[in-house]
Amino acid sequence: GDSVTQMEGPVTLSEEACLTINCTYTATGYPSLFWYVQYPGEGLQLLLKATKADDKGSNKGFEATYRKETTSFHLEKGSVQVSDSAVYFCALSPNDYKLSFGAGTTVTVRA
Amino acid sequence: GAVVSQHPSWVICKSGTSVKIECRSLDFQATTMFWYRQFPKQSLMLMATSNEGSKATYEQGVEKDKFLINHASLTLSTLTVTSAHPEDSSFYICSATLDREATDTQYFGPGTRLTVL
Repeated sequence: GDSVTQMEGPVTLSEEACLTINCTYTATGYPSLFWYVQYPGEGLQLLLKATKADDKGSNKGFEATYRKETTSFHLEKGSVQVSDSAVYFCALSPNDYKLSFGAGTTVTVRA
Repeated sequence: GAVVSQHPSWVICKSGTSVKIECRSLDFQATTMFWYRQFPKQSLMLMATSNEGSKATYEQGVEKDKFLINHASLTLSTLTVTSAHPEDSSFYICSATLDREATDTQYFGPGTRLTVL
């Protein structure tokens, strides 16, 4: 079945450091790929998405490119802030509106 | 924006009682809502897909008689945990897709923390 594997955390960074969270997937067909973020005490929010190969999703300084050849959708940000501290979830949807989530990566950014 | 609310945000109940959790789409109609369960430091696990006016579709391993889902209107879905036991303690999250958009983006509620004593 469809599944998502993402980098285990927790990840602790200093402000202005670069962040990369690896995400790979297994799916039949051409799923849509997502990154969701869960800030402390809040619900999941869509961070970015990509619906086809080579698409790049971007939002709030975060980027991820849909790489079909490597079945990956790594999340990157060049300079993190304390406010980026959250749990990040990679997810895929095989176009039937169901989401399969990765285990989540906890990111803590220190001032 | 697409706002989804849940009520209550947390609930504590005694073993053997039933608990109802509401999920509402505040500013849009949601033909489809989803219910997830999240254990501490783990990912979200889809429990069921709820379509307005029809029976919910449960994922494998989810007891439909224990987790009753009702989607009576385009803005409200409810999850009732019947005869709750301590192992049902978890974080329950709902989400909804926008009826007016042909998209697979889901909008999530803030979640409900259930603790069964």
